[in-house]
Amino acid sequence: GAGVSQSPRYKVAKRGQDVALRCDPISGHVSLFWYQQALGQGPEFLTYFQNEAQLDKSGLPSDRFFAERPEGSVSTLKIQRTQQEDSAVYLCASSLERGRGGEPQHFGDGTRLSIL
Amino acid sequence: AQSVTQLGSHVSVSEGALVLLRCNYSSSVPPYLFWYVQYPNQGLQLLLKYTSAATLVKGINGFEAEFKKSETSFHLTKPSAHMSDAAEYFCAVSRTGGGNKLTFGTGTQLKVEL
Repeated sequence: GAGVSQSPRYKVAKRGQDVALRCDPISGHVSLFWYQQALGQGPEFLTYFQNEAQLDKSGLPSDRFFAERPEGSVSTLKIQRTQQEDSAVYLCASSLERGRGGEPQHFGDGTRLSIL
Repeated sequence: AQSVTQLGSHVSVSEGALVLLRCNYSSSVPPYLFWYVQYPNQGLQLLLKYTSAATLVKGINGFEAEFKKSETSFHLTKPSAHMSDAAEYFCAVSRTGGGNKLTFGTGTQLKVEL
């Protein structure tokens, strides 16, 4: 009965380092989404998986961002050569159905990433 | 393309007063509309959703929203504010065929005063 779990909750990295953020969706949820939320802003879409397939990565801001979901469950968002503008809260969400309109998304508490 | 506009980044009400948070949407196809609430250092919690079944949608914690196609609006209301309602509220839109990804507004911070 657990919700979406994200780890770590907080991550501090130096500029230029690589980071990996983990998302454990609700068991059985087919769809998984990553969003980026800058301070004082609404979340912005990054990428979407249906099972293990990455069907939409149009929101990834650069090729330094990479996401995977190899077994259709846990997902990892990786950011290479981090920059200060990458500082944000990264939210993961999952939903039960295969991209059906109106299906609610369930959000984790996010990972707050700070780049020094 | 679809988008939402939330009018008023900060709204302050007295405890017991009416809460009205405004959201206008833009969508080339019939939209699905959502209101989410975010408490500090937490993720987003779904308050309610509109999926064309009924124009007046009731959600959790006494909130409701009315879909008005003619005004392209989906305003969130609650008859009587409670201190625990203080949070940030986001309106969001999605559509079929887009993988159900959400497009969010910039949010409205609700403050409830004694």
